[in-house]
Amino acid sequence: EVQLVQSGPEVKKPGESLKISCKGSGYSFINYWIVWVRQMPGKGLEWMGIIYPGDSDTRYSPSFQGQVTISVDKSINTAYLQWNSLKASDSAKYYCARREQQKVHVYYHYYMDVWGEGTTVTVSS
Amino acid sequence: DIQMTQSPSSLAAAVGDRVTIGCRASQNINNYLSWYQQRPGKAPEVLIYAASSLRSGVPQRFSGTGSGTDFTLTISDLQPEDFATYYCQQSYSGRMVFGGGTKVEIK
Repeated sequence: EVQLVQSGPEVKKPGESLKISCKGSGYSFINYWIVWVRQMPGKGLEWMGIIYPGDSDTRYSPSFQGQVTISVDKSINTAYLQWNSLKASDSAKYYCARREQQKVHVYYHYYMDVWGEGTTVTVSS
Repeated sequence: DIQMTQSPSSLAAAVGDRVTIGCRASQNINNYLSWYQQRPGKAPEVLIYAASSLRSGVPQRFSGTGSGTDFTLTISDLQPEDFATYYCQQSYSGRMVFGGGTKVEIK
């Protein structure tokens, strides 16, 4: 079974650091981009960034560039999302997802086909 | 940056109704559009990609149309399990921005 399993909920104080994880199984982890998505309480989905486990090529949304770091350890099929100094506004649910590509006619289309269950991060003093 | 605007932000419908959700891109994205369903407390699930291609296993009451800047998700014969929030997402640019979501509630 293809799945992404995320680390458990976190409760942190402002200024603390945090690294959450997303472990893939059931497929060739290095061959699919992994996306991170934020969902703040009661709000919509925000695309944060993407990493290719094969060579660690990483792209960030401008909104999140410099605020978080996305990394991967392909030896253990795991992607990470980390913060050096958390703020209360980082409280949210964070999802990882696999980016699939599908050829339609002659062009490739991309979408997220497998999602983790989400990691809830609460930052409060 | 490409912006995605969904309408309406919420709607109320009854079981058996036909529901239409709109999504507009701030620039031409051809047919590089996907639709997702998110039930409360759950991760999103993809329904449609390439604007109109139904993902395997998704019921045929879901359909997508559109190209360029204007897109539509239609749910015919709304079922109880379809009450959820729906998001469009463009994949024309590498930053795969989502729309703001449309919540489908029970009338």
